[in-house]
Amino acid sequence: QVQLQESGPGLVKPSQTLSLTCTVSGGSISSGGYYWSWIRQHPGKGLEWIGYIYYSGSTYYNPSLKSRVTISVDTSKNQFSLKLSSVTAPDTAVYYCARALDVEGWFDPWGQGTLVTVSS
Amino acid sequence: DIQMTQSPSTLSASVGDTVTMTCRASQNIRSWLAWYQQKPGRAPKFLISRASTLESGVPSRFSGSGSGTEFTLTITSLQPDDFATYYCQQYDSYSWTFGQGTKVDIK
Repeated sequence: QVQLQESGPGLVKPSQTLSLTCTVSGGSISSGGYYWSWIRQHPGKGLEWIGYIYYSGSTYYNPSLKSRVTISVDTSKNQFSLKLSSVTAPDTAVYYCARALDVEGWFDPWGQGTLVTVSS
Repeated sequence: DIQMTQSPSTLSASVGDTVTMTCRASQNIRSWLAWYQQKPGRAPKFLISRASTLESGVPSRFSGSGSGTEFTLTITSLQPDDFATYYCQQYDSYSWTFGQGTKVDIK
């Protein structure tokens, strides 16, 4: 079955850019039919959808983060990536990648998540 | 954005109890609602789509209902594995949003 795995630095300095990659195994991003998404969870808090990308490269972002978010896809590597610019301490969170059907919007499966701490 | 409000924030129950939690949307989301279960240190697990369609492999003691703006998740005969936090998520609009969660803990 499809599995997702996040990777990237666990510590980012304030004002810098957070960069994470999600590697998809057991299925091809290029096959279409899914939105490849990023979601985050602040420590001890709820879930916040960040945005998604389709295999074609079309994207949609959470309006509250849109000015700082870029999601890209590399179909040759079966990966998609998140960049969040100008980070501050409130961007400290567990970041998950997940898949959603393009005809619906529920997420399954999810990656295991990766904690990113913003600190100098 | 559509706001999702879950209640209660915490629900204390015992094994064998039936528990019900509520998720309210700030506007009509028809039946475009999903439920997830999350345990500490783990990613959320998808349970229910379209407000009431149980994902394959999810025990039948879980059930969802509702449409429009009010939805419920019921767990009958609570099992030890069910103590967790439950989140609802709307996918009616393209800016998907989650509720803040209901934690089911041991009474």
